[in-house]
Order: sequence, then structure tokens, then C-alpha cells
Amino acid sequence: RKEVEQDPGPFNVPEGATVAFNCTYSNSASQSFFWYRQDCRKEPKLLMSVYSSGNEDGRFTAQLNRASQYISLLIRDSKLSDSATYLCVVGSFGNEKLTFGTGTRLTIIP
Amino acid sequence: EADIYQTPRYLVIGTGKKITLECSQTMGHDKMYWYQQDPGMELHLIHYSYGVNSTEKGDLSSESTVSRIRTEHFPLTLESARPSHTSQYLCASKLAGTGELFFGEGSRLTVL
Repeated sequence: RKEVEQDPGPFNVPEGATVAFNCTYSNSASQSFFWYRQDCRKEPKLLMSVYSSGNEDGRFTAQLNRASQYISLLIRDSKLSDSATYLCVVGSFGNEKLTFGTGTRLTIIP
Repeated sequence: EADIYQTPRYLVIGTGKKITLECSQTMGHDKMYWYQQDPGMELHLIHYSYGVNSTEKGDLSSESTVSRIRTEHFPLTLESARPSHTSQYLCASKLAGTGELFFGEGSRLTVL
């Protein structure tokens, strides 16, 4: 079983819609959680950290469920520029080891 | 913008050649990493370093080697390249204890 699992998609979503995807992790000792974004043929960049109480950044909301070992990302009012691959990242040992999921590919359709 | 640089961006070489992929960062980060990523696939950690003179192998076995003689520099070397080494190699760095990795733009290696 992979340490971090994501549905690879692709998710094809009309502009303006709300889209959500989940990620599960296997190590119950994981301490930190992040969503990264990777555009086609570009390097990954941090989108947002995920806090236990859940957090929001504009149109993006991240949630953590430690009991079920999953994190989620919700994008509201999706825009064409949101098209990218979203990588779930889980950290352990004080963030010294970051494990990436395979990523979920999202395409926003005009 | 992140101050982490990789060279070359693209490299096409023949089998058996020795190559070094350069990675430098000017942010003073002590942690540095090398990831390998094939198109449409996940990132695999192949090497990391906690600081000068520290190098460790990552989760994915790799025939490459790394060195960390200076804080800002973390080169990756392949002594004898093979077609199976064809991939994108991404260098990254971060501050200890934080979760934000800063990536370079990557080095796309093709071995013929």
C-alpha cells in the first residue's frame, strides 16, 4: 500500500463549479499535511498547509481527518487557471521526510 | 520567487557518459533534496541532505550519487548514464522544521 494515495483523475470540471478531492495516508504518526500544485511540465509549488481545524485561503479549503487518515481540498468557483495537478504531501519526523502522492489532475473546462 | 537553480535544464547524452546535474540555492536552507519524476507520474525521493557533509539515500533506489560540500550546492552525478536514467530530476530545499519545499525548474535528462 502506498504511503499517500490519491485518485489520479482526471477531473474535468466546468468553470465556476466546485470540485473536491481527497487523499489518504497510511502512517498514523504523520505530523503535517500540505497541498502542492504542479502545472504541466513545471515544478511543484506549495498551495497551502492543512491544519487540524481546517483552513481556508480564498476559494480553497483544506480539511484534515486524523481518525480516518485523510485530507481533502475543496475549490469553489473554479477558474481556468486552476487547471493543474494537485499533490497531497504528508510530513513526518518534524517535516524532515515529506512524502508525495501521485497527484490528482484537474482540468477546468470553459 | 524561489532562489534555487538547476543546470542544465535539458540534456541529451549517449549511454556510458558521466553527467553531473547542478543545483544551487541562495536561501541558506540546510535541507536539500533530489526527486525523480517521470511524465505524469509521482515524485520519488532519491537523495537528501540535512546539511554540509550529510547525504542520505531516499525511498527510490538510484545509481546516482550526491555530495554536499557547501550549504548552497547539492550536485547529483551519474557515473555511467543508461537509457533507464531518462527522467526529470527536481532539486528542492527547505528550512529545517518547515513544510514548504522550494523546487528548482528541473533537469530533463535523455539518455540515448
